[in-house]
Amino acid sequence: DAKTTQPNSMESNEEEPVHLPCNHSTISGTDYIHWYRQLPSQGPEYVIHGLTSNVNNRMASLAIAEDRKSSTLILHRATLRDAAVYYCILRTTIQGAQKLVFGQGTRLTINP
Amino acid sequence: DGGITQSPKYLFRKEGQNVTLSCEQNLNHDAMYWYRQDPGQGLRLIYYSQIVNDFQKGDIAEGYSVSREKKESFPLTVTSAQKNPTAFYLCASSPLAKNIQYFGAGTRLSVL
Repeated sequence: DAKTTQPNSMESNEEEPVHLPCNHSTISGTDYIHWYRQLPSQGPEYVIHGLTSNVNNRMASLAIAEDRKSSTLILHRATLRDAAVYYCILRTTIQGAQKLVFGQGTRLTINP
Repeated sequence: DGGITQSPKYLFRKEGQNVTLSCEQNLNHDAMYWYRQDPGQGLRLIYYSQIVNDFQKGDIAEGYSVSREKKESFPLTVTSAQKNPTAFYLCASSPLAKNIQYFGAGTRLSVL
């Protein structure tokens, strides 16, 4: 399975932008890059995904390197509610089923 | 409201006992998934199902069993063969045509 590498933890201040990096040097041409986040004792929540082009939605932006071997999740203005573990995941499809391979993620702390 | 319901929230298993975790969704999603999460770790795939009466083993299926008799239900049985069942169990569903998985709130299983 394709793997991702993320920093174990990051810290930022409220109302500042946050850039969460992810390396995925073994990505294949059909793997999508997904980001999910998980609050304590809850299920993961979808944040954003992309294949080649940068993506924006109401929660965040995803910047994908031209060679697709790395990506960055951007929270434009962090709030205390953004404190969570963020997972960068490569999504593959096996026999029509999605397969998300989770790593350990980045624990994001937001300081007031 | 549409969503995924997992029950119970907390479950205790005695030695040699089988226990069943419930997962119900009213999102009309075709695919359903079971994951296991150990403390400080990412999620690992146990089983998944794309259609009724069909399911596939994930990465850590040993000691677990599932059924998919109805589209909206995908129960997971933790058998006595699973020697280290203590973990947080998460159920997810997704429409086959969309690249996003939606997660339930999880069941925390402990051994007495």
